Amino acid sequence: GAVVSQHPSWVICKSGTSVKIECRSLDFQATTMFWYRQFPKQSLMLMATSNEGSKATYEQGVEKDKFLINHASLTLSTLTVTSAHPEDSSFYICSARGSQNQNYGYTFGSGTRLTVV
Amino acid sequence: GNSVTQMEGPVTLSEEAFLTINCTYTATGYPSLFWYVQYPGEGLQLLLKATKADDKGSNKGFEATYRKETTSFHLEKGSVQVSDSAVYFCALGTNAGKSTFGDGTTLTVKP
Repeated sequence: GAVVSQHPSWVICKSGTSVKIECRSLDFQATTMFWYRQFPKQSLMLMATSNEGSKATYEQGVEKDKFLINHASLTLSTLTVTSAHPEDSSFYICSARGSQNQNYGYTFGSGTRLTVV
Repeated sequence: GNSVTQMEGPVTLSEEAFLTINCTYTATGYPSLFWYVQYPGEGLQLLLKATKADDKGSNKGFEATYRKETTSFHLEKGSVQVSDSAVYFCALGTNAGKSTFGDGTTLTVKP
């Protein structure tokens, strides 16, 4: 149980275009989802916290207009990188927390490698 | 704020050697502690966890004990294999759901 699916696993896009990444909880309801970014050979940095039905909370230094987060249902959160540029190239990973705290262990998606050319 | 300090790498060992990767943390409240493993090109996999002081997490021969007195959660394995080569992340998690990660330690096991 507690499976998080992330799609796509990799994407290449042109500068100036937008890319949407999906994060789904497959077998539990995720009231909260978290989006992390990992630069090459570095650790994961929390970008934003997404609560179902409300606006995401962004960490300091993260541009909310560039990284749009939508958590419209208890099983789906999306991250849209708008007007992507090469510096947005990174590995993006989501995690999800269950409604009854049964997922205190924070299940992570498999990640999305974004390359902007 | 919360922070995790992890032993710097890279670490290179011969097969069947003993592994220790040190991890210490700073946190308010009573966090849970985790070790994650990341294989090349892949996402994070939870390796083991401990949710309270003195708990020992274990999986696939790896162990770590939640030491509140030393604020540590060191990862150990008695005999590593080539297939254990990966990046290992120590992390703490709060009840709010956020995770704070260490910088990661790259382990290479040579045959």
